[in-house]
Amino acid sequence: AQSVTQPDIHITVSEGASLELRCNYSYGATPYLFWYVQSPGQGLQLLLKYFSGDTLVQGIKGFEAEFKRSQSSFNLRKPSVHWSDAAEYFCAVAPRNAGNMLTFGGGTRLMVKP
Amino acid sequence: EAQVTQNPRYLITVTGKKLTVTCSQNMNHEYMSWYRQDPGLGLRQIYYSMNVEVTDKGDVPEGYKVSRKEKRNFPLILESPSPNQTSLYFCASRDSGLAESNEQFFGPGTRLTVL
Repeated sequence: AQSVTQPDIHITVSEGASLELRCNYSYGATPYLFWYVQSPGQGLQLLLKYFSGDTLVQGIKGFEAEFKRSQSSFNLRKPSVHWSDAAEYFCAVAPRNAGNMLTFGGGTRLMVKP
Repeated sequence: EAQVTQNPRYLITVTGKKLTVTCSQNMNHEYMSWYRQDPGLGLRQIYYSMNVEVTDKGDVPEGYKVSRKEKRNFPLILESPSPNQTSLYFCASRDSGLAESNEQFFGPGTRLTVL
């Protein structure tokens, strides 16, 4: 069955430290890949997306993600976390040419220590 | 401003009392969908619509209905709500020009509690 896994439910980092949020997917072929952020009480905002080409994708707010086909992973990174990055982060995938289903991972809640 | 709006934002109701959550987008998007968000499960798609009068089931359609009579509106209907439908609901839309590769724009969410 197709699935998206975010192994870390909660992550706490200190402000200024680096961050990596993990995402693994299970699909027959490489899907379209997305990272969304949900700030408290808000809807979801797209951080970045991967369709093809360069496997290192730059997004908004200083985030980047790297697609690794061999590992079926699409991990999100940020070199220096700010207190305003505290939020819940969702990895999502959409199969190519297979309808319109966007499948989300369970989310990772990021807390930032001062 | 391009946006997806939902109403109400918060709703507390009782089992069996029919309710409708409205969703409207002003971006002329053809594709719209509804998700529910539950802790640890992420967002799961309830229904989606490719265009006016075209709707289809997502992952968790049981207990829900939708309609798409106009391009901009996509209401979610709970004919007989039950406590297991207590959740946070999101409406989303996107341009269908490049199909599933396009970004989905999300509404602010509707927190529903069914007692």
